[in-house]
Amino acid sequence: KAGVTQTPRYLIKTRGQQVTLSCSPISGHRSVSWYQQTPGQGLQFLFEYFSETQRNKGNFPGRFSGRQFSNSRSEMNVSTLELGDSALYLCASSFDRSAGKLFFGSGTQLSVL
Amino acid sequence: AQTVTQSQPEMSVQEAETVTLSCTYDTSESDYYLFWYKQPPSRQMILVIRQEAYKQQNATENRFSVNFQKAAKSFSLKISDSQLGDAAMYFCAYKRAGAGGTSYGKLTFGQGTILTVHP
Repeated sequence: KAGVTQTPRYLIKTRGQQVTLSCSPISGHRSVSWYQQTPGQGLQFLFEYFSETQRNKGNFPGRFSGRQFSNSRSEMNVSTLELGDSALYLCASSFDRSAGKLFFGSGTQLSVL
Repeated sequence: AQTVTQSQPEMSVQEAETVTLSCTYDTSESDYYLFWYKQPPSRQMILVIRQEAYKQQNATENRFSVNFQKAAKSFSLKISDSQLGDAAMYFCAYKRAGAGGTSYGKLTFGQGTILTVHP
């Protein structure tokens, strides 16, 4: 079974631009979660999607948004990029939402200049 | 709010030796899950081991085992017979159990411990 796939692996943007990151979950997994990882703040939960609906949200501004498609693939969008948005963005999928076993992708490294 | 603390920013071990990584957490919940994840240079987070809080027996996965002390809110990871491939950043994580939207998908992570394995 293929793992969680995130594209692109690296991205360079400038302040004020917007960016879209993509995540394909493991086949059969319907829950997709997104995390931001920075050296200063560590790993922080952004949001979780299930059945095309956002079910849970972390403490991030409205510039961070996402969506999930009927095939469970998910996209994350960040508008009006700020320097502080530079981070590794990790996507994770799970089969059993209550058990908490998350399977992560290799992430997208976003650099904002 | 739940917090997870890893007090060892860095640890090192000789190949074939045993090392223990520490983790403490704070929660008012009685039912939850605890995890150790490994993040090698490839950046992919890999699940190492999972513990259910209502189970008193410590989880074990091959060379990896935990010491779960619920009353002390402590959850340490022991790696036996360390191998060069064990070198990575290790994260302790917490998840509230049970149904409910605010628990789904959300793990609370510690700051991580960098493990170096010397040949």
